[in-house]
Amino acid sequence: DIVLTQSPALAVSLGQRATISCRASESVRSSMHWYQQKSGQQPKLLIYGASNLASGVPARFSGSGSGTDFTFTIDPVEADDIATYYCQQSRNDNTFGAGTKLELK
Amino acid sequence: EVQLVESGGGLVQPGRSLKLSCAASGFTFSNYGMAWVCQAPTKGLEWVASISTGGGNTYYRDSVKGRFTISRDNAKNTLYLQMDSLRSEDTATYYCARHAPVGISDNWFAYWGQGTLVTVSS
Repeated sequence: DIVLTQSPALAVSLGQRATISCRASESVRSSMHWYQQKSGQQPKLLIYGASNLASGVPARFSGSGSGTDFTFTIDPVEADDIATYYCQQSRNDNTFGAGTKLELK
Repeated sequence: EVQLVESGGGLVQPGRSLKLSCAASGFTFSNYGMAWVCQAPTKGLEWVASISTGGGNTYYRDSVKGRFTISRDNAKNTLYLQMDSLRSEDTATYYCARHAPVGISDNWFAYWGQGTLVTVSS
């Protein structure tokens, strides 16, 4: 199985930039997708294909990367962005990272 | 508006069975692959199984192969997950999710239901 590694938490101030990384144990080309999950809610797709913004998602969210190293960015961070963010690869079956909890400083 | 509504969760004893359903609306169900994704309490997301548009191709994570069966009824716009020989480690919220459109050679989960909780305990 392809393993995805994310940092467990990130503390950020409102109005600043938040950058979350996801590293794959082998190349997934551009088959990397990002989700937001708020407490008690289902996940929501934000980015697909490494860098494509899902429908209705604000342009404050962006993604980049290919191969094994990927980055998800929120700029600027708003209060409503406090959530856990997951990366998911679909190159070989489907696996998720363990999630990065975005917290306020 | 795309809607996915899961049902069928509950408390079940180890070794017993449970069948989950997901009612889909707001899109042409037969045009999309579908999946189940689970999340154990306070844990992360895990893909469980996927099924192709017509139901002819199914895919499972290793830990559920031979125990879980994903299926669909396109006439009823409904996705199912038959869960047999349940174990305590299957305890989780199970989400129904819609895959990317047919023709796209990639598989993200574009829409999710609100989830149904399965608790396996004696």
